[in-house]
Amino acid sequence: EVQLVESGGGLVQPGKSRRLSCVASGFTFNTYAMTWVRQAPGRGLEWVSGITSGGGITYYADSVKGRFTISRDNSKNTLYLEMSSLRTEDTAVYYCAQDLSFAVAGDLVSWGQGTLVTVSS
Amino acid sequence: QSALTQPPSASGSPGQSVTISCTGTSSDVGNYNYVSWYRHHPGKAPKLMIYEVNQRPFGVPARFSGSKSGNTASLTVSGLQAEDEADYYCSSFAGSFVVFGGGTKLTVL
Repeated sequence: EVQLVESGGGLVQPGKSRRLSCVASGFTFNTYAMTWVRQAPGRGLEWVSGITSGGGITYYADSVKGRFTISRDNSKNTLYLEMSSLRTEDTAVYYCAQDLSFAVAGDLVSWGQGTLVTVSS
Repeated sequence: QSALTQPPSASGSPGQSVTISCTGTSSDVGNYNYVSWYRHHPGKAPKLMIYEVNQRPFGVPARFSGSKSGNTASLTVSGLQAEDEADYYCSSFAGSFVVFGGGTKLTVL
């Protein structure tokens, strides 16, 4: 059974940094692209960032480009999202998701339960 | 990176069919066959219902179907059931990013 478990959420002040982690199990992690998606309170889903299976290619939404960094450690079956210069509008539940193939294409077959990041002073 | 356009709401009675549209541009929906649909019950993880325009993942019932014409993709849910009441989102690959639709709240009357 595929499991994706996010952690690292919490209350953080504007302008500060936070790192989210997502530990994967139940599939061969290093053969699938991975993605972060978020949902702000009362809003819809927003794609944030994706990374190919080997970690060589990364993609970002314009709203986070230059502030967020996606990475992965295939030896630890773990996906990361390093968030810096956080803004109040980054407040959201952040989901980790598994793509259907080695490339980022938006076909997100498995999702974690999400971790809440609240940016507030 | 503009969001895809979905109707905010849709509804149908049990057993009926409902179709939800998802309109993008020639840079996303119209240019790639990587359109997906997700069902999201609040408080739970989203679930992939359709990928690559019209493919159903293992375990998704055949009453869920997808299609695309030009810059508009569609999800049809046939034989509506109470459990289908949820938020539905489309998404499309756009070359260097992925874009979601704003979501459609499906109500089963």
